Amino acid sequence: EVQLVESGGGLVQPGGSLRLSCAASGFTFSDQFMDWVRQAPGKGLEWVGRARDKANSYTTQYAASVKGRFTISRDDSKNSLYLQMNSLKTEDTAVYYCARVLTVKWYFDLWGRGTLVTVSS
Amino acid sequence: QPVLTQPPSSSASPGESARLTCTLPSDINVRVYDIYWYQQKPGSPPRYLLYYYSDSDKGQGSGVPSRFSGSKDASANTGILHISGLQSEDEADYYCLIWPNNVGVFGGGTKLTVL
Repeated sequence: EVQLVESGGGLVQPGGSLRLSCAASGFTFSDQFMDWVRQAPGKGLEWVGRARDKANSYTTQYAASVKGRFTISRDDSKNSLYLQMNSLKTEDTAVYYCARVLTVKWYFDLWGRGTLVTVSS
Repeated sequence: QPVLTQPPSSSASPGESARLTCTLPSDINVRVYDIYWYQQKPGSPPRYLLYYYSDSDKGQGSGVPSRFSGSKDASANTGILHISGLQSEDEADYYCLIWPNNVGVFGGGTKLTVL
């Protein structure tokens, strides 16, 4: 089955760190660009960042709101995408989705169900 | 980071049409961007609907009914999602998205109520 499954969410204090994972199955993960998108409770969608594939030197790109604090990585041998979140702020509280990018026309054609990160003291 | 403006809410009756707008800031020309549209229902991840660049360059998501279509109003610097023949199942949040400099920017979303 083609799917993405996020994990690693939970409660963390401001200033803390958390690492999210996204397990991919049913498709050739190594060929895909993969993104993280988040959604604060009751709010809209916010693009977080991107991990490109080996052919594009595994480069990454980030939203200004998380640049310098968040790091996206991937392990193609494990079909997994990661989001390392440091220096967390209360405004980082959100459901975090991983999403596959269809690079033919730059849209998200596959989403996970998300994992909730709550930053609170 | 640019801000895409979507009306917070819209409503229409079953069978009617809805026109959801996504206005770009004045320093970004809608003419040069693909406008992507996503639908999200409560408790579910977003679903890709379609993209629109021009009448000759547009695309529909897999399984998305032809009742959903896109357009642009260049004079208003706006992308538009049209939904015809509204059905109760169309009640959802709708988000637009563009990619300036390879950075994703979503609109704030419009909650569509089908009365």
